Amino acid sequence: LAKTTQPISMDSYEGQEVNITCSHNNIATNDYITWYQQFPSQGPRFIIQGYKTKVTNEVASLFIPADRKSSTLSLPRVSLSDTAVYYCLVGGNYGQNFVFGPGTRLSVLP
Amino acid sequence: DSGVTQTPKHLITATGQRVTLRCSPRSGDLSVYWYQQSLDQGLQFLIHYYNGEERAKGNILERFSAQQFPDLHSELNLSSLELGDSALYFCASRQAERYNEQFFGPGTRLTVL
Repeated sequence: LAKTTQPISMDSYEGQEVNITCSHNNIATNDYITWYQQFPSQGPRFIIQGYKTKVTNEVASLFIPADRKSSTLSLPRVSLSDTAVYYCLVGGNYGQNFVFGPGTRLSVLP
Repeated sequence: DSGVTQTPKHLITATGQRVTLRCSPRSGDLSVYWYQQSLDQGLQFLIHYYNGEERAKGNILERFSAQQFPDLHSELNLSSLELGDSALYFCASRQAERYNEQFFGPGTRLTVL
């Protein structure tokens, strides 16, 4: 399973765009990149998944460069309720299982 | 609401005891995963079941065991409990073909005194 590295914490202000970058140098050819969000005392929640280039949904965008050795989760115009831990995960192929790292603790300030 | 249910929400017990945590996956999901989340260890994958069969084991202690029943609900059994077993225990389920999108339940908070 590919190891991921992401910042331990980030601060932002309401209304700003937040970009969280994850490094995954050893990503395998058929690995997908998946991001989860977790609020305190709740289970993680799937945000977005991608393989290459850009993926966008109603919550976030995911940018993946051609070499796929990193990815960036972009949260547009964050609000206080976006304060959470964000996990970057790589893999998930049949038979594999997620390895959750420490994630990035995002604090959105008023 | 993810559609995954877990009972009980809270459990307080003493060292040396045995407890059973229960999980019902979303309707139609055949896969069930169990995770442990403690303050100092983060979210740790324990075990994965698919349609009643064990598919993968993670950092699961020998004192812990799990099973998935024909109706697809799953139980995680924790025995000879130690103080360090105090944690949030989550189960998650997913659709057969969507390997990366797991739906997590609300968790069971276990406190061992």
